[in-house]
Amino acid sequence: QKEVEQNSGPLSVPEGAIASLNCTYSDRGSQSFFWYRQYSGKSPELIMSIYSNGDKEDGRFTAQLNKASQYVSLLIRDSQPSDSATYLCAVSHDKIIFGKGTRLHILP
Amino acid sequence: DTEVTQTPKHLVMGMTNKKSLKCEQHMGHRAMYWYKQKAKKPPELMFVYSYEKLSINESVPSRFSPECPNSSLLNLHLHALQPEDSALYLCASSQVANNEQFFGPGTRLTVL
Repeated sequence: QKEVEQNSGPLSVPEGAIASLNCTYSDRGSQSFFWYRQYSGKSPELIMSIYSNGDKEDGRFTAQLNKASQYVSLLIRDSQPSDSATYLCAVSHDKIIFGKGTRLHILP
Repeated sequence: DTEVTQTPKHLVMGMTNKKSLKCEQHMGHRAMYWYKQKAKKPPELMFVYSYEKLSINESVPSRFSPECPNSSLLNLHLHALQPEDSALYLCASSQVANNEQFFGPGTRLTVL
């Protein structure tokens, strides 16, 4: 059974701090890794894609991938109240598998 | 155009009704997906179309019938649904070569 594990949270982070979201996966053949943000009642929005080991930065977001450890993370710098949402980690080999999501709450 | 659109936004139907959900994308993607999402759960894959052919059916009950009339359109035909089918139905699209999926806004379905 291919699995993607995330801490369900809620993860509470003060405004302006760094939020760190983590994800582990079981399928060593996974090739593509994604982070989606989902606001309550809305659809998932793709915020980061990463395909190779290391870091990938896009604005306030940094995705980190370590295939040896089967670990992918998302860092959000200078957290804003608008970052409060559920963050879904998704991992793809032949098809995409979603984690259950981490609820992030940014404290004003 | 980097948008996936879905209609209707909301749908209420009885268990004997027949209705259809529609999805459209103009990103040149040749893979399209239907997902079902219940509250506080991740999206659950239902169907995948690749080059307008059904490539994955995740053992979905036959009361859900997908259709891909062309590379831009995806339909989901609904018939004799159950109240437990009430959920947010999401359409997504991607390039076939990767799984970088872009989601539409969803259709909120309520079955009475």
